[in-house]
Amino acid sequence: KAGVTQTPRYLIKTRGQQVTLSCSPISGHRSVSWYQQTPGQGLQFLFEYFSETQRNKGNFPGRFSGRQFSNSRSEMNVSTLELGDSALYLCASHRQSTDTQYFGPGTRLTVL
Amino acid sequence: AQRVTQPEKLLSVFKGAPVELKCNYSYSGSPELFWYVQYSRQRLQLLLRHISRESIKGFTADLNKGETSFHLKKPFAQEEDSAMYYCALSAVGAGTASKLTFGTGTRLQVML
Repeated sequence: KAGVTQTPRYLIKTRGQQVTLSCSPISGHRSVSWYQQTPGQGLQFLFEYFSETQRNKGNFPGRFSGRQFSNSRSEMNVSTLELGDSALYLCASHRQSTDTQYFGPGTRLTVL
Repeated sequence: AQRVTQPEKLLSVFKGAPVELKCNYSYSGSPELFWYVQYSRQRLQLLLRHISRESIKGFTADLNKGETSFHLKKPFAQEEDSAMYYCALSAVGAGTASKLTFGTGTRLQVML
């Protein structure tokens, strides 16, 4: 069974730009959760999507948004990028909320 | 609010020595606790979760609700155990089961 895939693996953007990251979950998994990992704050929950609906949200500003498609693939978007948005963005797929989360390799975003 | 504390950033042990990675949590409801591990150049993966009560790769962890702890233990460290270990909590029953709250992680270094 193929694992969670994330594209692109690396991104370099400048302040003020926007970015879209993609996550393809494990086949059969309908939930996708997103996390931000930084040296200072560690791993922090961004949001979860299930069946194309946002089900849970973390404490991030509205510049961070996401969506999920009918095939369970998910995208997250960050608008008006700030230097502090530089991080590793991880997505995790699971069958439903209470199931084990399987993580992707992450997208490393650098904001200059 | 949920909080997970891993007091040690780095734990160095000799091969064959016992290992104990500490994890304390703060949550007023009924938590589910996990240990995730990240080996060098690999993705974050689940090591064990307390409800399954399994022993994975020789590791065990017992949930102590009185002390609000979920320490990870292994009787004899192996070189391949060197990795980053994260303790995580999920608030089951609060409608936010998908939101994992992570500790800051402990790097385990097994010395020969």
